[in-house]
Amino acid sequence: DAKTTQPNSMESNEEEPVHLPCNHSTISGTDYIHWYRQLPSQGPEYVIHGLTSNVNNRMASLAIAEDRKSSTLILHRATLRDAAVYYCILRDGFGGGSNYKLTFGKGTLLTVNP
Amino acid sequence: KAGVTQTPRYLIKTRGQQVTLSCSPISGHRSVSWYQQTPGQGLQFLFEYFSETQRNKGNFPGRFSGRQFSNSRSEMNVSTLELGDSALYLCASSLVTSGGLNEQFFGPGTRLTVL
Repeated sequence: DAKTTQPNSMESNEEEPVHLPCNHSTISGTDYIHWYRQLPSQGPEYVIHGLTSNVNNRMASLAIAEDRKSSTLILHRATLRDAAVYYCILRDGFGGGSNYKLTFGKGTLLTVNP
Repeated sequence: KAGVTQTPRYLIKTRGQQVTLSCSPISGHRSVSWYQQTPGQGLQFLFEYFSETQRNKGNFPGRFSGRQFSNSRSEMNVSTLELGDSALYLCASSLVTSGGLNEQFFGPGTRLTVL
């Protein structure tokens, strides 16, 4: 599986934007970039995913570099409830059934200060 | 719409025993995956079931097994428990559509402690 690299931890202040980076230099052309997060004492939850173009949803935005070797998850206004571990994951769009196996790295622990 | 449910939420066992964990997926979801989460190894994929068949398997010993029933509910079993099996076991369900990379919905997990 193609690997991703994320900072171990990041800190932000409440109501400020947060940019969480992810490097995936060995990404293949069919890999989608997915982000999940895990709030304390909960299972992971889906945040957003994209292939080439930047994506927005109600939770966050995903900015993908032109060469696709890196991406950034953007939380526009961090709240205390956004404190979580954020995981960047690659999933092969043509992997068929095998893409139902998610490979999690260590993720980035986001701390949000009031 | 009810989320993924896992039972029991907490479990304490002793070494050598076996344990069965249960997962009920979201209605209509036919793919069920299991993950183990420990402080040292993080989140690791155990196996995935679709239509009662194991479709994907992670790198775990044969003591870890699972099955899926016709209603998509799934169980995982760990035999001959070891101290290192103490972990949070997470179940995730997903829709399966052609050409789709459907998101996985995770349950709250079962916290297993092996003494």
